[in-house]
Amino acid sequence: DIQMTQSPSSLSASVGDRVTITCRASQDISNCLAWFQQKPGKAPKSLIYAASNLQSGVPSKFSGSGSGTDFTLTISSLQPEDFATYYCQQYKHYPLSFGGGTKVEI
Amino acid sequence: EVQLVESGGGLVQPGGSLRLSCAVSGFTFSDHYMDWVRQAPGKGLEWVGRSRNKANRYTTEYAASVKGRFTISRDDSKNSLYLQMDSLKTEDTAVYYCVRVIIPGYHYVYWGQGTLVTVSS
Repeated sequence: DIQMTQSPSSLSASVGDRVTITCRASQDISNCLAWFQQKPGKAPKSLIYAASNLQSGVPSKFSGSGSGTDFTLTISSLQPEDFATYYCQQYKHYPLSFGGGTKVEI
Repeated sequence: EVQLVESGGGLVQPGGSLRLSCAVSGFTFSDHYMDWVRQAPGKGLEWVGRSRNKANRYTTEYAASVKGRFTISRDDSKNSLYLQMDSLKTEDTAVYYCVRVIIPGYHYVYWGQGTLVTVSS
């Protein structure tokens, strides 16, 4: 099974900060990597697929990069609505797997 | 507008059974793969399993943690996905989400709002 390791598990940031979250796969997953945002009590929201493709309607302050085993999610200028937990997911191999999450706090 | 609405959650004793439903609208259900994903209270996301579409003979995949206990099925005539959960354990307590899988690409876009399953005596 593929293990997805996110870092950091939590971070504190301020409005306007640039934030980067990393996700590492235990084996090559090509670009089959997605990022999700989840706020308390809500379903996850899809942000990025295929490592770097923005979902429709997602603001361009979000960007993703990487391939193979190492990936990053960047938020260029953090806004109050971006404080949430972010998850990566590999969908290259069964069983699909998620990272442990990164909680972005004020 | 794409909608996925889960139902059927509730309180069940260990060893019991429960059947979740996911009613979908806004897209051609029979063309799509569908997944179940769960989230234990205060924990991260865990993939549960997948139902492939009619073209792929409705075959299924499961996480090891639920294989042999959970069964995913669907009724294309009712635009509905199901998760039959048997031999439930306390560690199955979670919010269960149904998710539409985009083909090609096999990534997610649309999630349901989730339904809470609590396994407790």
